[in-house]
Amino acid sequence: NAGVMQNPRHLVRRRGQEARLRCSPMKGHSHVYWYRQLPEEGLKFMVYLQKENIIDESGMPKERFSAEFPKEGPSILRIQQVVRGDSAAYFCASFTFEGLNTEAFFGQGTRLTVV
Amino acid sequence: AQSVTQLDSHVSVSEGTPVLLRCNYSSSYSPSLFWYVQHPNKGLQLLLKYTSAATLVKGINGFEAEFKKSETSFHLTKPSAHMSDAAEYFCVVNHYNTDKLIFGTGTRLQVFP
Repeated sequence: NAGVMQNPRHLVRRRGQEARLRCSPMKGHSHVYWYRQLPEEGLKFMVYLQKENIIDESGMPKERFSAEFPKEGPSILRIQQVVRGDSAAYFCASFTFEGLNTEAFFGQGTRLTVV
Repeated sequence: AQSVTQLDSHVSVSEGTPVLLRCNYSSSYSPSLFWYVQHPNKGLQLLLKYTSAATLVKGINGFEAEFKKSETSFHLTKPSAHMSDAAEYFCVVNHYNTDKLIFGTGTRLQVFP
C-alpha cells in the first residue's frame, strides 16, 4: 500500500493559468479531504469528497476553485486563472469512515507557486 | 461548533529536556482528538489519537497526550526532547457527525543542543 499519493509535488504556474492537483487515495479509501496551508499558517479545510459526490465544500472559494473525485481515478483539485495568493501547499488526505475511529492519512502535498 | 486552540505558536527547548505543547478544544459532543507532526517541506504524520478509550494516549517517538474533559485539554508531552523532534505540531479535533477535521494553527517546536 503506497499511501496517499499527490502529484505533482511542486507546481509552478504563471498568473492566469490553470493548476490541476491530483490525489490518489490509499487503496480501499472512498473519502478524501483537501486542505490548504498558506506560508506560516495552519491547515485550512477546503473540501470533503466521497466518490462521485461533494459532501462539504464550505472551505473552498466560490470562484475559480473546483474539486472532483470520480468513480475511477484520482481526486482532482482544479484552480482556474491562478493568482499570486493561490501560492500555498495543498494537502490531500484519504480515509475510510469508521465513526470515532476514523483516521485520515495525508499525502506529502503539492506546493503551488504562482509567478 | 468545534474548534481547537493551540496556546503557543513557538516552543523552544534544550535537547534532553521535557516537551509540553498545549491544546484546548471546544466541541459540543465527545470528540476525537489527534496530534499530527509536520517536518519541514514534508506531509503530515499522525503522532497519536484519542477516540474515547483510555484518556492517556501513547504515540510514536515517545510522545503522549492526556485527554482531560474537565479542562477541555489534550496537551502533548515528551519526557526528553531530541533534535529530530524539531517540527510543526498540529492539534486536530473531529466530531464524526461533521466529518471534518479541524486543525489548530500549529506550534513550531525548536530543539537546541
